Amino acid sequence: QKEVEQNSGPLSVPEGAIASLNCTYSDRVSQSFFWYRQYSGKSPELIMSIYSNGDKEDGRFTAQLNKASQYVSLLIRDSQPSDSATYLCAVEDSSASKIIFGSGTRLSIRP
Amino acid sequence: NAGVTQTPKFQVLKTGQSMTLQCAQDMNHNSMYWYRQDPGMGLRLIYYSASEGTTDKGEVPNGYNVSRLNKREFSLRLESAAPSQTSVYFCASRDSGDSPLHFGNGTRLTVT
Repeated sequence: QKEVEQNSGPLSVPEGAIASLNCTYSDRVSQSFFWYRQYSGKSPELIMSIYSNGDKEDGRFTAQLNKASQYVSLLIRDSQPSDSATYLCAVEDSSASKIIFGSGTRLSIRP
Repeated sequence: NAGVTQTPKFQVLKTGQSMTLQCAQDMNHNSMYWYRQDPGMGLRLIYYSASEGTTDKGEVPNGYNVSRLNKREFSLRLESAAPSQTSVYFCASRDSGDSPLHFGNGTRLTVT
């Protein structure tokens, strides 16, 4: 069974600081990785996709991928109260056309 | 600009009753998915359809059946509902290859 692991949190970060969210995965040949944000009672929404080793930046968000270590992370700079949500890491199963999710990390930004 | 539409939004069933959750997408996506989400469990894949005419089991298929009616529609059926199927159900779709999922708004199901 292929797995995606995340620390469930909650992760508490002061407003304006950098929030760092981590994810490891078991499928060595996965090529596609995604970060979703989910507010309570809402559906997941895509923040970032990353496919190559290294960093990918989009506004205050940076995704980092290290395929050799089977590790993907999400950094949120200048954290805002509106960033308080659950962040889901998702990884493509390379053997089938499906995406596997981690259990999510709950992030709380304190004023 | 509807995206992925799920019906109903809420449903209460008694144990043993059956129902079908409907999902339709208007983005001409090839692949469609059904996930369930329980507290602290993340999203678990029930069934998926990589392309029109195909369906495959995910992590937790027991107690469910699916139908890919056409390219737009993918339904999930509970033949005999059980309290363990109380959950939030999300339908999602994506284009082929390595594209991300687009989610519907979810169906909150309670089985008593």
